Amino acid sequence: EIVMTQSPATLSVSPGERAALSCRASENVNNYVSWYQQKPGQAPRLLIYDASTRATGIPARFSGSGSGTEFTLTISSLQSEDLAVYYCQHYNSWPLTFGGGTKVEIK
Amino acid sequence: QVQLVQSGAEVKKPGASVKVSCKASGYAFSSSYLHWVRQAPGQGLEWMGIINPDGGSTFSTQKFQGRVTLTRDTASRTVFMELSRLTFADTAIYYCAREGGEYWGQGTLVTVSS
Repeated sequence: EIVMTQSPATLSVSPGERAALSCRASENVNNYVSWYQQKPGQAPRLLIYDASTRATGIPARFSGSGSGTEFTLTISSLQSEDLAVYYCQHYNSWPLTFGGGTKVEIK
Repeated sequence: QVQLVQSGAEVKKPGASVKVSCKASGYAFSSSYLHWVRQAPGQGLEWMGIINPDGGSTFSTQKFQGRVTLTRDTASRTVFMELSRLTFADTAIYYCAREGGEYWGQGTLVTVSS
């Protein structure tokens, strides 16, 4: 199965600053990567699919980039409500797999 | 609007089985695959498998093969995830999610306790 590795595990960012979250696939997944945001006690929320397409209703400060094996989720100007854990997931082939997550903290 | 409504929390003993349901509404049931994902306490997301409501074909990860059964009932627009031979490590929130990832159930907490 394809292993998705996220870094860093924890990211501390001041409000208004930029946050960049990394996700690496163990083999080529083309652009079949989604990003999810999960807040405590909630189900995951889809932010980005196909590596760079924002899901419905997602603010423009969230953007995704990459293809092949390297992917990035960028939050251009961090807001307090962005405190959450962020997961990448590939859907290039079965089984789908998630990365281990990056916890974004407000500095 | 699209909704996925899951069954309520369960407490099971080790060795038992649990069956979680996920009732879909607001879209053509047979048009989208449904995924099952679980999350142990304080841990990340773990993809378990997928079912095609149109025909009922399934795929599950090797980790769960032989223990998980995915089924659907088209009349009630419901999919089911049954996990057998439960151990303490199966304590988790179990989610169903529609293909594409935009719609998720509210989650079902399964607690395995002696």
